[in-house]
Amino acid sequence: QKEVEQDPGPLSVPEGAIVSLNCTYSNSAFQYFMWYRQYSRKGPELLMYTYSSGNKEDGRFTAQVDKSSKYISLFIRDSQPSDSATYLCAMSPPGGSYIPTFGRGTSLIVHP
Amino acid sequence: GAVVSQHPSWVICKSGTSVKIECRSLDFQATTMFWYRQFPKQSLMLMATSNEGSKATYEQGVEKDKFLINHASLTLSTLTVTSAHPEDSSFYICSASNAASGGLKNIQYFGAGTRLSVL
Repeated sequence: QKEVEQDPGPLSVPEGAIVSLNCTYSNSAFQYFMWYRQYSRKGPELLMYTYSSGNKEDGRFTAQVDKSSKYISLFIRDSQPSDSATYLCAMSPPGGSYIPTFGRGTSLIVHP
Repeated sequence: GAVVSQHPSWVICKSGTSVKIECRSLDFQATTMFWYRQFPKQSLMLMATSNEGSKATYEQGVEKDKFLINHASLTLSTLTVTSAHPEDSSFYICSASNAASGGLKNIQYFGAGTRLSVL
């Protein structure tokens, strides 16, 4: 079992839909949880990060962490065609010496 | 803040030549930078961790003599692909974490990536 599991998709939704992207993990030491967006042939762009459990909201994006279930989610409200990209989750234990473990990414397609 | 600049964005070279890719943290100091390789529709593959002022740490299976990494300052790391061959063609991405950000050192900020095509 990989440390971080993420369904590669593709996930295809109509414009305006609410999108739910998810990752599961096995390492209970993970405390930092990040979501990146990667457009084709570009580097990943940090969307949001959370520390420990709870929710965090930024505009149309909400990140949710459920440590008891080892499950994290990214919700996108009112999805737009410009949201079409690959979304990668990443996570790490606390302490600056740890390199984040990345999921393989979920490809999202928002069609007009 | 937390901008990482990578260049060139695209390079085409002949087989047997060497190619240097630069990664700069523009508005923060990065004691550690990372180099990744990504094949089409696949996830990031960590190649090496670049430490300022010391030798890079390479992941298993990555040839250190093939992929030379230099991290001479707190804002610059370079990756040189030596004697490049067509199988080295790929998308290379660097990232950096902010040394001064306390617990947020775990957060990585990525460059835009370099597409290498070896003919």
